[in-house]
Amino acid sequence: DTGVSQDPRHKITKRGQNVTFRCDPISEHNRLYWYRQTLGQGPEFLTYFQNEAQLEKSRLLSDRFSAERPKGSFSTLEIQRTEQGDSAMYLCASSLWSDTQYFGPGTRLTVL
Amino acid sequence: KNEVEQSPQNLTAQEGEFITINCSYSVGISALHWLQQHPGGGIVSLFMLSSGKKKHGRLIATINIQEKHSSLHITASHPRDSAVYICAVHGPQYGNKLVFGAGTILRVKS
Repeated sequence: DTGVSQDPRHKITKRGQNVTFRCDPISEHNRLYWYRQTLGQGPEFLTYFQNEAQLEKSRLLSDRFSAERPKGSFSTLEIQRTEQGDSAMYLCASSLWSDTQYFGPGTRLTVL
Repeated sequence: KNEVEQSPQNLTAQEGEFITINCSYSVGISALHWLQQHPGGGIVSLFMLSSGKKKHGRLIATINIQEKHSSLHITASHPRDSAVYICAVHGPQYGNKLVFGAGTILRVKS
């Protein structure tokens, strides 16, 4: 297994467009997390899944954000009507229950 | 006030120096993580600890649960240690998510 992967690695979009990111966790991991990191700050929690169930969502996750993990494997994070404030690094991590979280390389989003 | 505080924010050291990065948190936790982030964004988990001390190579992490404090030490520092070091906690107060400090930017000069 090659670890957690994320696609794309970089995304540049215009304000108002929709974007979708994908995360493929380590295959036997049942938990998958999305975090957002802005420049100079530590990551902030957005949401997490246990298998296909979305168990917790941060208040940071406005109604323009939606995440899915339809078969309990890969996950997608969609941002609708992007705003410049959405520019950040979006990080995905996975774990087996509450064991160590393994992070993907991140998707850097730039909204022009 | 951030729930996880790291110090210092920035640290410049000469190659070979012993380095200490500190982390304090405000509520009881299940475990504390030390993470390393290189330019470009990738995060690597260095340690997860809930008590005592762990060592891996030149890295040592300690935690004092009563004082709600952890330290990350790097012995014989090297320029390749230059990175951002992030402390994160999880526990009953936070559900299953990690709560992160803002990170310490370390630069080791040769």
